[in-house]
Amino acid sequence: ETGVTQTPRHLVMGMTNKKSLKCEQHLGHNAMYWYKQSAKKPLELMFVYNFKEQTENNSVPSRFSPECPNSSHLFLHLHTLQPEDSALYLCASSQDRGSLEQYFGPGTRLTVT
Amino acid sequence: QQQVKQSPQSLIVQKGGISIINCAYENTAFDYFPWYQQFPGKGPALLIAIRPDVSEKKEGRFTISFNKSAKQFSLHIMDSQPGDSATYFCAARAGYGGSQGNLIFGKGTKLSVKP
Repeated sequence: ETGVTQTPRHLVMGMTNKKSLKCEQHLGHNAMYWYKQSAKKPLELMFVYNFKEQTENNSVPSRFSPECPNSSHLFLHLHTLQPEDSALYLCASSQDRGSLEQYFGPGTRLTVT
Repeated sequence: QQQVKQSPQSLIVQKGGISIINCAYENTAFDYFPWYQQFPGKGPALLIAIRPDVSEKKEGRFTISFNKSAKQFSLHIMDSQPGDSATYFCAARAGYGGSQGNLIFGKGTKLSVKP
């Protein structure tokens, strides 16, 4: 596969569940990002990793926990979410932090019931 | 506080017409202004971008016009086609400070081009 892939593409979870979102990039990039996309809102940057190190946590609630085991993989661990967390979660990568172009995956559509 | 304001929220254009989407920003520390295009079921993809020292950039049917003094920039799609139907996001990149390199996005414009 090429580009940025995300799994699962759709996820429905209850508020007491624990689940994880996975992102993999096949571009040899050093920076990876998690964004939240809600209807009629700007894309919200959640987390930034550069060379596996977290460089930004954009005031995200602790019920979202990122993990970056290597430069190609990024996870978002979810637990005790709220219905307002339902959104499309997008992963992106770029050559380095601040590179001019970010490459996005197709996203995971999350529904919290 | 929304740092990049985008309008309109939705836009319907006839095939062959011109689509115009506008964005305004407040922070003078932005150093790069990209536009992303998103089709249903896909992630956003870079369409065209401009730096603030240039007033216009054209790539095929897509043109960015940039007005630094007014802190505004716009995307023009000439000869709009049904295949251009997508959501368009403007963005601005923080040039320095703690958020250096971060992209700040507008809310998006859903464009529908009617045949």
